[in-house]
Amino acid sequence: DTGVSQDPRHKITKRGQNVTFRCDPISEHNRLYWYRQTLGQGPEFLTYFQNEAQLEKSRLLSDRFSAERPKGSFSTLEIQRTEQGDSAMYLCASSSRVRDYGYTFGSGTRLTVV
Amino acid sequence: AQSVSQHNHHVILSEAASLELGCNYSYGGTVNLFWYVQYPGQHLQLLLKYFSGDPLVKGIKGFEAEFIKSKFSFNLRKPSVQWSDTAEYFCAFYNNNDMRFGAGTRLTVKP
Repeated sequence: DTGVSQDPRHKITKRGQNVTFRCDPISEHNRLYWYRQTLGQGPEFLTYFQNEAQLEKSRLLSDRFSAERPKGSFSTLEIQRTEQGDSAMYLCASSSRVRDYGYTFGSGTRLTVV
Repeated sequence: AQSVSQHNHHVILSEAASLELGCNYSYGGTVNLFWYVQYPGQHLQLLLKYFSGDPLVKGIKGFEAEFIKSKFSFNLRKPSVQWSDTAEYFCAFYNNNDMRFGAGTRLTVKP
Protein backbone atom coordinates (compact mmCIF):
# COMPACT_ATOMS: atom_id res chain seq x y z
CA ASP A 1 0.00 0.00 0.00
CA THR A 2 1.56 3.26 -1.06
CA GLY A 3 -0.96 5.59 0.62
CA VAL A 4 -0.76 7.48 3.88
CA SER A 5 -1.06 5.15 6.88
CA GLN A 6 -2.29 6.11 10.30
CA ASP A 7 -2.19 4.05 13.45
CA PRO A 8 -4.25 3.27 15.40
CA ARG A 9 -7.57 3.58 13.57
CA HIS A 10 -9.46 3.99 16.83
CA LYS A 11 -8.35 4.96 20.31
CA ILE A 12 -10.48 5.10 23.42
CA THR A 13 -8.82 6.66 26.42
CA LYS A 14 -9.76 7.93 29.82
CA ARG A 15 -9.69 11.63 30.51
CA GLY A 16 -6.30 12.74 31.73
CA GLN A 17 -4.32 10.05 29.91
CA ASN A 18 -1.75 10.78 27.22
CA VAL A 19 -2.19 9.44 23.70
CA THR A 20 0.12 9.24 20.71
CA PHE A 21 -0.83 8.72 17.10
CA ARG A 22 1.44 7.75 14.27
CA CYS A 23 1.40 8.74 10.61
CA ASP A 24 3.46 7.19 7.83
CA PRO A 25 3.32 9.42 4.76
CA ILE A 26 3.95 8.47 1.16
CA SER A 27 7.68 7.89 1.10
CA GLU A 28 8.61 10.47 -1.53
CA HIS A 29 6.51 13.22 0.05
CA ASN A 30 8.55 15.77 1.98
CA ARG A 31 5.60 17.61 3.52
CA LEU A 32 3.37 16.22 6.22
CA TYR A 33 0.29 17.81 7.77
CA TRP A 34 -1.91 17.09 10.77
CA TYR A 35 -5.57 18.04 10.87
CA ARG A 36 -8.42 17.53 13.30
CA GLN A 37 -11.98 16.90 12.18
CA THR A 38 -15.02 17.04 14.40
CA LEU A 39 -18.54 15.96 13.51
CA GLY A 40 -20.16 18.25 10.98
CA GLN A 41 -17.01 20.24 10.35
CA GLY A 42 -14.26 20.25 7.78
CA PRO A 43 -10.70 19.34 8.65
CA GLU A 44 -8.99 21.93 10.86
CA PHE A 45 -5.27 22.48 10.33
CA LEU A 46 -3.00 21.78 13.32
CA THR A 47 0.60 21.70 12.15
CA TYR A 48 2.92 20.85 9.28
CA PHE A 49 6.42 19.61 8.60
CA GLN A 50 8.75 19.99 5.69
CA ASN A 51 11.12 17.07 6.05
CA GLU A 52 11.94 17.04 9.80
CA ALA A 53 11.35 20.75 10.35
CA GLN A 54 8.08 21.78 11.94
CA LEU A 55 7.30 24.97 10.05
CA GLU A 56 3.94 25.84 11.53
CA LYS A 57 2.69 24.98 14.99
CA SER A 58 0.90 28.09 16.12
CA ARG A 59 -2.42 26.48 15.35
CA LEU A 60 -1.94 23.49 17.58
CA LEU A 61 -4.95 23.64 19.83
CA SER A 62 -3.11 24.01 23.11
CA ASP A 63 0.25 23.28 24.69
CA ARG A 64 -1.05 19.78 25.43
CA PHE A 65 -0.63 19.02 21.71
CA SER A 66 2.78 18.33 20.22
CA ALA A 67 4.04 16.72 17.05
CA GLU A 68 7.35 15.35 15.87
CA ARG A 69 8.86 14.06 12.67
CA PRO A 70 12.28 13.01 13.88
CA LYS A 71 13.86 11.72 10.70
CA GLY A 72 11.69 13.36 8.13
CA SER A 73 9.74 10.18 7.57
CA PHE A 74 6.93 9.16 9.93
CA SER A 75 5.36 11.61 12.35
CA THR A 76 3.70 11.37 15.74
CA LEU A 77 1.04 13.56 17.30
CA GLU A 78 0.80 13.47 21.07
CA ILE A 79 -1.99 14.80 23.23
CA GLN A 80 -1.21 15.05 26.92
CA ARG A 81 -3.80 15.06 29.70
CA THR A 82 -6.65 14.37 27.30
CA GLU A 83 -9.99 16.09 27.75
CA GLN A 84 -13.41 15.11 26.46
CA GLY A 85 -13.25 17.98 23.99
CA ASP A 86 -10.28 16.29 22.32
CA SER A 87 -12.59 13.58 20.98
CA ALA A 88 -12.34 13.88 17.21
CA MET A 89 -10.86 12.35 14.09
CA TYR A 90 -7.17 13.18 13.66
CA LEU A 91 -6.09 13.21 10.04
CA CYS A 92 -2.64 13.10 8.54
CA ALA A 93 -1.85 14.15 4.99
CA SER A 94 1.29 14.35 2.91
CA SER A 95 2.26 16.09 -0.29
CA SER A 96 5.05 16.79 -2.71
CA ARG A 97 3.69 18.83 -5.58
CA VAL A 98 0.47 20.34 -4.30
CA ARG A 99 -0.28 22.05 -7.60
CA ASP A 100 -0.34 18.69 -9.36
CA TYR A 101 -1.64 16.29 -6.75
CA GLY A 102 -3.04 18.18 -3.79
CA TYR A 103 -2.74 16.51 -0.42
CA THR A 104 -3.04 12.75 0.08
CA PHE A 105 -4.91 11.94 3.26
CA GLY A 106 -4.82 8.94 5.52
CA SER A 107 -7.92 7.32 6.95
CA GLY A 108 -7.46 9.03 10.28
CA THR A 109 -7.36 8.05 13.94
CA ARG A 110 -10.65 8.40 15.77
CA LEU A 111 -10.08 9.42 19.38
CA THR A 112 -12.75 9.00 22.00
CA VAL A 113 -12.05 10.42 25.45
CA VAL A 114 -14.32 8.99 28.16
CA ALA B 1 -8.49 36.23 7.07
CA GLN B 2 -8.86 33.69 4.33
CA SER B 3 -11.78 31.32 4.71
CA VAL B 4 -14.04 28.97 2.80
CA SER B 5 -17.78 28.69 3.19
CA GLN B 6 -20.09 26.01 1.90
CA HIS B 7 -23.73 26.97 1.89
CA ASN B 8 -25.45 23.62 1.79
CA HIS B 9 -25.05 21.33 4.76
CA HIS B 10 -27.10 18.44 3.40
CA VAL B 11 -28.38 17.91 -0.12
CA ILE B 12 -30.73 15.08 -1.07
CA LEU B 13 -31.20 14.21 -4.73
CA SER B 14 -32.66 11.42 -6.78
CA GLU B 15 -30.47 9.55 -9.23
CA ALA B 16 -30.00 11.36 -12.56
CA ALA B 17 -30.68 14.76 -11.00
CA SER B 18 -28.18 17.54 -11.60
CA LEU B 19 -25.94 18.69 -8.78
CA GLU B 20 -24.47 22.02 -7.86
CA LEU B 21 -22.73 22.56 -4.52
CA GLY B 22 -21.80 26.07 -3.55
CA CYS B 23 -18.39 27.20 -2.33
CA ASN B 24 -17.26 30.74 -1.64
CA TYR B 25 -13.90 31.91 -0.41
CA SER B 26 -12.57 35.11 1.02
CA TYR B 27 -9.08 36.08 -0.05
CA GLY B 28 -7.82 38.92 -2.17
CA GLY B 29 -4.78 37.32 -3.72
CA THR B 30 -4.03 34.45 -6.07
CA VAL B 31 -6.26 31.52 -5.26
CA ASN B 32 -5.73 27.81 -5.34
CA LEU B 33 -8.95 25.88 -4.87
CA PHE B 34 -9.80 22.23 -4.41
CA TRP B 35 -12.75 19.94 -4.02
CA TYR B 36 -12.32 16.78 -1.98
CA VAL B 37 -14.78 13.93 -1.50
CA GLN B 38 -15.11 11.58 1.44
CA TYR B 39 -17.11 8.42 0.76
CA PRO B 40 -18.57 6.67 3.81
CA GLY B 41 -15.80 5.02 5.79
CA GLN B 42 -13.06 6.21 3.44
CA HIS B 43 -10.38 8.86 3.47
CA LEU B 44 -10.57 12.24 1.79
CA GLN B 45 -9.84 12.02 -1.93
CA LEU B 46 -9.08 14.76 -4.42
CA LEU B 47 -11.88 15.41 -6.92
CA LEU B 48 -10.43 18.37 -8.78
CA LYS B 49 -8.32 21.48 -8.38
CA TYR B 50 -7.86 24.94 -9.80
CA PHE B 51 -4.58 26.86 -9.84
CA SER B 52 -4.70 28.96 -12.97
CA GLY B 53 -5.83 28.95 -16.57
CA ASP B 54 -9.20 27.71 -17.75
CA PRO B 55 -11.70 28.55 -14.98
CA LEU B 56 -13.76 25.47 -15.82
CA VAL B 57 -11.95 22.46 -14.43
CA LYS B 58 -12.88 18.85 -14.87
CA GLY B 59 -12.24 16.20 -12.28
CA ILE B 60 -12.81 12.53 -11.75
CA LYS B 61 -16.15 10.73 -11.98
CA GLY B 62 -17.77 13.37 -14.18
CA PHE B 63 -17.45 16.25 -11.73
CA GLU B 64 -16.49 19.76 -12.78
CA ALA B 65 -16.15 23.11 -11.06
CA GLU B 66 -16.11 26.68 -12.27
CA PHE B 67 -13.96 29.40 -10.76
CA ILE B 68 -15.74 32.75 -10.95
CA LYS B 69 -13.35 35.37 -9.67
CA SER B 70 -15.91 38.17 -9.53
CA LYS B 71 -18.13 36.08 -7.28
CA PHE B 72 -15.32 34.53 -5.21
CA SER B 73 -16.93 31.19 -5.99
CA PHE B 74 -15.84 27.70 -6.98
CA ASN B 75 -19.04 25.68 -7.28
CA LEU B 76 -19.01 21.95 -7.92
CA ARG B 77 -21.31 20.48 -10.54
CA LYS B 78 -22.32 17.17 -12.01
CA PRO B 79 -25.02 16.86 -14.67
CA SER B 80 -26.41 13.52 -13.52
CA VAL B 81 -25.68 12.05 -10.09
CA GLN B 82 -25.55 8.39 -9.22
CA TRP B 83 -26.28 6.57 -5.99
CA SER B 84 -22.52 5.98 -5.65
CA ASP B 85 -21.96 9.76 -5.38
CA THR B 86 -23.40 9.67 -1.87
CA ALA B 87 -20.59 11.19 0.17
CA GLU B 88 -19.41 14.31 1.93
CA TYR B 89 -17.87 17.01 -0.25
CA PHE B 90 -15.36 19.56 0.98
CA CYS B 91 -14.20 22.72 -0.73
CA ALA B 92 -10.71 23.87 0.22
CA PHE B 93 -8.52 26.93 -0.25
CA TYR B 94 -4.74 26.58 -0.46
CA ASN B 95 -2.12 29.27 0.02
CA ASN B 96 1.47 28.93 1.16
CA ASN B 97 1.27 25.46 2.69
CA ASP B 98 -2.04 26.29 4.35
CA MET B 99 -5.04 24.28 3.11
CA ARG B 100 -8.29 25.42 4.73
CA PHE B 101 -11.51 23.49 4.37
CA GLY B 102 -15.14 24.41 4.38
CA ALA B 103 -17.53 22.66 6.74
CA GLY B 104 -18.57 20.22 4.02
CA THR B 105 -21.79 19.30 2.26
CA ARG B 106 -23.32 15.89 2.77
CA LEU B 107 -24.85 14.57 -0.44
CA THR B 108 -27.40 11.77 -0.30
CA VAL B 109 -28.50 10.29 -3.62
CA LYS B 110 -31.66 8.21 -3.52
CA PRO B 111 -31.74 5.23 -5.90
